[in-house]
This record gives sequence, structure tokens and C-alpha cells, in this order.
Amino acid sequence: LAKTTQPISMDSYEGQEVNITCSHNNIATNDYITWYQQFPSQGPRFIIQGYKTKVTNEVASLFIPADRKSSTLSLPRVSLSDTAVYYCLVGDYGSSASKIIFGSGTRLSIRP
Amino acid sequence: DSGVTQTPKHLITATGQRVTLRCSPRSGDLSVYWYQQSLDQGLQFLIQYYNGEERAKGNILERFSAQQFPDLHSELNLSSLELGDSALYFCASSVDAGPSGSTIYFGEGSWLTVV
Repeated sequence: LAKTTQPISMDSYEGQEVNITCSHNNIATNDYITWYQQFPSQGPRFIIQGYKTKVTNEVASLFIPADRKSSTLSLPRVSLSDTAVYYCLVGDYGSSASKIIFGSGTRLSIRP
Repeated sequence: DSGVTQTPKHLITATGQRVTLRCSPRSGDLSVYWYQQSLDQGLQFLIQYYNGEERAKGNILERFSAQQFPDLHSELNLSSLELGDSALYFCASSVDAGPSGSTIYFGEGSWLTVV
């Protein structure tokens, strides 16, 4: 699995757009990029997944440049409830030796 | 509600004891994953089963074992417990052997406290 690098922490304010970037220089051709959100004492929750270009759903957007060596999770107009840890995962999880490894994540703190 | 059910939610036991954590995956999911998360630590991948067979193994201690039964529920057995085993243990499931193009769904976890 490709190693990922994310900022350890980020701060923002309610109503702002937050962008969290993940670096994955060794991403392979078959790898997908997936983001999860985790609140304290709860299981991680799937946010969004993409392979290239841009993906958007009801909660976030995922921007992936052409070289796919990084990706950016964009959270529009955050609220206090978006305070959580965000994990970026990269891999071809369909492979026979899949190990879904979570990195350290980015601790996002939203202030009023 | 993710559809993944874990029991018990909380468990307190003494050092040296053995416990079993149970996980029922989402209906239709064939893969089950186990993770350990200590206080303020990241998620440590332990092991994955797919349709009853071990698929991938992470940093799982020899004192720990797991299995997936024909009805697809899974159990994680922790023996000779030590204080450092106190953690939140998560089970997750997905439809296929890996989540490329699909999603892993996590349960709410089982809190284990070893005293």
C-alpha cells in the first residue's frame, strides 16, 4: 500500500471551507483514494472515495490531480460537528493481500 | 447505524484473563476486519477474514486469534490479557475482499479495560 502523509492537525472556523491535503507519492495504477472521518470513541465513517479528477457527494469533494500523487479533501462550510480526525487511505484493496492500514490522520478542530 | 454489530460494548477484566469479542457484519458483507485503537492512538489493523478464510494479517499478537464462522460473524479472542491490551476494538465489514470501489463499514467498537 502507498504510504500517505497528512498534516497532524488543522484549525478552522465555522462557515469556512476546509481543505485537507494528503500526499501519496508512491500511488500505484490500481490504487483508490479513500477518506474516513472518526469522532472520539466511534468507528471511522466513510466520507468519499475517488480514483482521478474530482468526486463530489453530499458532504465533501475530493480533488485528485492528474499525477495522482496527492489528493485534497474539501469540506464546504464546516460546523462544530465537523471536529474529528480525518484519515486518507490509498491502496488497491481488492488485491489478495489487502491490509487496510490507517495512518495517523489529521485532527481537525473547528471553532465558533 | 452502520449495520455492523459488536458485542459487548464494554468489558472490564483482570490481567491474565481471556475474553471474546463478537462481530456481526452488515447483511451481505463477506469480509470482516478487526482493528485495535488505544487511547489517543491510531487504528492498528489486526486481521481480515473473507468468507471464512483469513485474508490478511497485521500486527496481531500471538495471544490474539480470530475466526469467521459460516454465518459470517466473527470473533476476536484475546488471551493472557495485559494492561496494555486495554483499548477500543473495532470490527468492520465490506462486501468483497477489499474496498476498492466499495466501502468499509465500522461498528461502534468494544471497549476493553484490563485491570
